[in-house]
Amino acid sequence: SAVISQKPSRDICQRGTSLTIQCQVDSQVTMMFWYRQQPGQSLTLIATANQGSEATYESGFVIDKFPISRPNLTFSTLTVSNMSPEDSSIYLCSVLTGVFYEQYFGPGTRLTVT
Amino acid sequence: AQTVTQSQPEMSVQEAETVTLSCTYDTSENNYYLFWYKQPPSRQMILVIRQEAYKQQNATENRFSVNFQKAAKSFSLKISDSQLGDTAMYFCAFMIGANSKLTFGKGITLSVRP
Repeated sequence: SAVISQKPSRDICQRGTSLTIQCQVDSQVTMMFWYRQQPGQSLTLIATANQGSEATYESGFVIDKFPISRPNLTFSTLTVSNMSPEDSSIYLCSVLTGVFYEQYFGPGTRLTVT
Repeated sequence: AQTVTQSQPEMSVQEAETVTLSCTYDTSENNYYLFWYKQPPSRQMILVIRQEAYKQQNATENRFSVNFQKAAKSFSLKISDSQLGDTAMYFCAFMIGANSKLTFGKGITLSVRP
């Protein structure tokens, strides 16, 4: 397994501003993922972040709105840019372990945009 | 496209009883992995159990077991001796080979009654 931390755990932001969410894992991993989850709903994949390459975004998500950095094998950031109330959600990072293709999730960042 | 269907939005079970959560999926691929994740209220997503499609034997993890019917594309989770701590949202998820992207079902809210 992997131990994953996220910062901040929650934040309340004003519309038009940006927030950067950090994801730290306790071991080196090749693949990291960023998801969005509305409370009580399922998860939607935003993008896949591989170290040393550009992030791969899912349909409906663009780099200008959700820029991602992956500077090394244990860390990634997701920025939610020019926020609107529709961006209010829980943002989760996850990592893929290579042996059994298992994904482990961070505790999430609860974002409220006012 | 791959889809995961959890048709039951909610279930309830008495403590110490057994409950089965249903999941069906659709894919034309032959090499894939299936997962059940648990998300307790306001808490972190936890991997419960994993099943490789090429394995005929159903996976078991303590009180959790699956009934994997490949031909029927069915992957149900059985929780034996239900405990209050099993109260959570449960997500069925699917991943194709090395693709590594998880496709989630809508989830089911399980309540364990004392």
